[in-house]
Amino acid sequence: QKEVEQNSGPLSVPEGAIASLNCTYSDRGSQSFFWYRQYSGKSPELIMSIYSNGDKEDGRFTAQLNKASQYVSLLIRDSQPSDSATYLCAVRDNDMRFGAGTRLTVKP
Amino acid sequence: ETGVTQTPRHLVMGMTNKKSLKCEQHLGHNAMYWYKQSAKKPLELMFVYNFKEQTENNSVPSRFSPECPNSSHLFLHLHTLQPEDSALYLCASSQDWLKQFSDNYGYTFGSGTRLTVV
Repeated sequence: QKEVEQNSGPLSVPEGAIASLNCTYSDRGSQSFFWYRQYSGKSPELIMSIYSNGDKEDGRFTAQLNKASQYVSLLIRDSQPSDSATYLCAVRDNDMRFGAGTRLTVKP
Repeated sequence: ETGVTQTPRHLVMGMTNKKSLKCEQHLGHNAMYWYKQSAKKPLELMFVYNFKEQTENNSVPSRFSPECPNSSHLFLHLHTLQPEDSALYLCASSQDWLKQFSDNYGYTFGSGTRLTVV
């Protein structure tokens, strides 16, 4: 069974801090990796995608991929209360497989 | 709006009812998906359609029946459901099932249908 694992949290950080979200996956052949944000009662929205080892930055978000360790992470700099949501890690081989999500709370 | 519209937003149905969920995408995508989201569990892929053809049925019980008349519309027909089928049902679309390495690849989700089976 191909799995995507995330710490369910909740992860609580103060406003302005860096939030670090982690994800591991079991299928070594996976090629594409995604982070989705899901606000309570809403549908998931794509915030980052990464395909190559290393870092990819987009504004306050940085995705990090290490295929050798089968590990992908998301860093949120200068966290804001509006970042409070559940963050879903997704891994793609043929189909998109999701982790159960990490609930992040940013406290003012 | 994300460009993927789902109706109804909420649905309560008895175990003997028949109902249908509808999904429509206005993004020009070629692939559409049904996912089930239950509390504290990962999104579960149910069905995949690529260019109107079903490419995956992820061992879903026959009480769920998908229909994809064209690349823009997707239905999920429900009959004789069980209380454990209560969940958020999400429709998603993407440019192409096989194009994995495009920055535009990620799925776009609809707002979901919150289904309660009583």
